[in-house]
Amino acid sequence: AQTVTQSQPEMSVQEAETVTLSCTYDTSENNYYLFWYKQPPSRQMILVIRQEAYKQQNATENRFSVNFQKAAKSFSLKISDSQLGDTAMYFCALERGAQKLVFGQGTRLTINP
Amino acid sequence: ETGVTQTPRHLVMGMTNKKSLKCEQHLGHNAMYWYKQSAKKPLELMFVYNFKEQTENNSVPSRFSPECPNSSHLFLHLHTLQPEDSALYLCASSQGQGANIQYFGAGTRLSVL
Repeated sequence: AQTVTQSQPEMSVQEAETVTLSCTYDTSENNYYLFWYKQPPSRQMILVIRQEAYKQQNATENRFSVNFQKAAKSFSLKISDSQLGDTAMYFCALERGAQKLVFGQGTRLTINP
Repeated sequence: ETGVTQTPRHLVMGMTNKKSLKCEQHLGHNAMYWYKQSAKKPLELMFVYNFKEQTENNSVPSRFSPECPNSSHLFLHLHTLQPEDSALYLCASSQGQGANIQYFGAGTRLSVL
């Protein structure tokens, strides 16, 4: 069975600091996709970044980057120069088959001024 | 303006009521989804529709009845719900089959009394 685990229920950092959110997963598939979604207080889930498992290069999107370790089944999200608007719940997700996303429990990230 | 709109934003209903949740996407996508987000639990996929046809039912109780009249609209009809059905119900859409990015609405917060 595919599972996603986020071991950090809550994190808090100061504005402008760098923060890393952890995610581990389990799957027997060789080709799959991993995602980080952000859910601010407005409740709408927003895609932050996507990683294709067959690509060795880590995905980056401006201040957001991932450290994808396929052998270790680890997929962490690094947020550089954190901003107040980054305050949100962050969910790691694994695509376990066409269109079927499995989500982790989430990490509540607070950026303090 | 979000590409995926859900109404109502909040809903309170008794266990004997019948209500419906509505989702509309303006992105030209062919696939639509219902998810359930309960407190302290990961998001759970409920249903998947592709080109108006249901392609996934994740063992959802029959008191939840989805309807997809066209590729832009998705409904979730509710009847004789239980208090444990109280949750945030999220709708999403994507381009189609495959590991395409899913775009989410802001959800309907449902409380069953």
